[in-house]
Amino acid sequence: NAGVTQTPKFQVLKTGQSMTLQCAQDMNHEYMSWYRQDPGMGLRLIHYSVGAGITDQGEVPNGYNVSRSTTEDFPLRLLSAAPSQTSVYFCASSYSNDYGYTFGSGTRLTVV
Amino acid sequence: GENVEQHPSTLSVQEGDSAVIKCTYSDSASNYFPWYKQELGKRPQLIIDIRSNVGEKKDQRIAVTLNKTAKHFSLHITETQPEDSAVYFCAASRGGGNNRLAFGKGNQVVVIP
Repeated sequence: NAGVTQTPKFQVLKTGQSMTLQCAQDMNHEYMSWYRQDPGMGLRLIHYSVGAGITDQGEVPNGYNVSRSTTEDFPLRLLSAAPSQTSVYFCASSYSNDYGYTFGSGTRLTVV
Repeated sequence: GENVEQHPSTLSVQEGDSAVIKCTYSDSASNYFPWYKQELGKRPQLIIDIRSNVGEKKDQRIAVTLNKTAKHFSLHITETQPEDSAVYFCAASRGGGNNRLAFGKGNQVVVIP
């Protein structure tokens, strides 16, 4: 079991560029979510999915898109990167939202 | 939606002493309360969780207590060691469907050797 795999680990983007953060899990978890972590702000939910084909917005969804075509994958797309999106991004998965989450190792994104 | 608050934001303890972190939640229907530990530069990892039908749960040096009436739950770390130094996040969820797991902002625990 690889658990939750995130790629890339580090990324530098220029303002206005787009990119996709990848997240894959091999635990057959239905529930997947994306968080961003900024100093002093804790973990803020961007988007989440309760199963293939079902997604919903979290606390801070603006500027991000997601899709869930398979149980295993939950990519996060930045449409037009802005400096305010500089952050550490974590993907997490679980059987449901009342079971322990497994987090990926994170992506450190810098937008210049 | 659920709102979770953690106190204190930073806690310093001498090695060997106990540390207690308290969280309050707003949604009386919440029934699942996990704690995550995040070491510097690493991912959050689940260390213990409790459900609303249980008042206390222990795992070696860590324990969690839940007071449903007051809507708060606490993490207790006994005989603290330097490797306990980390940020600890509490969370709460009512479970099922589209309900979200709401995280607190985290507590920095520093164990002084």
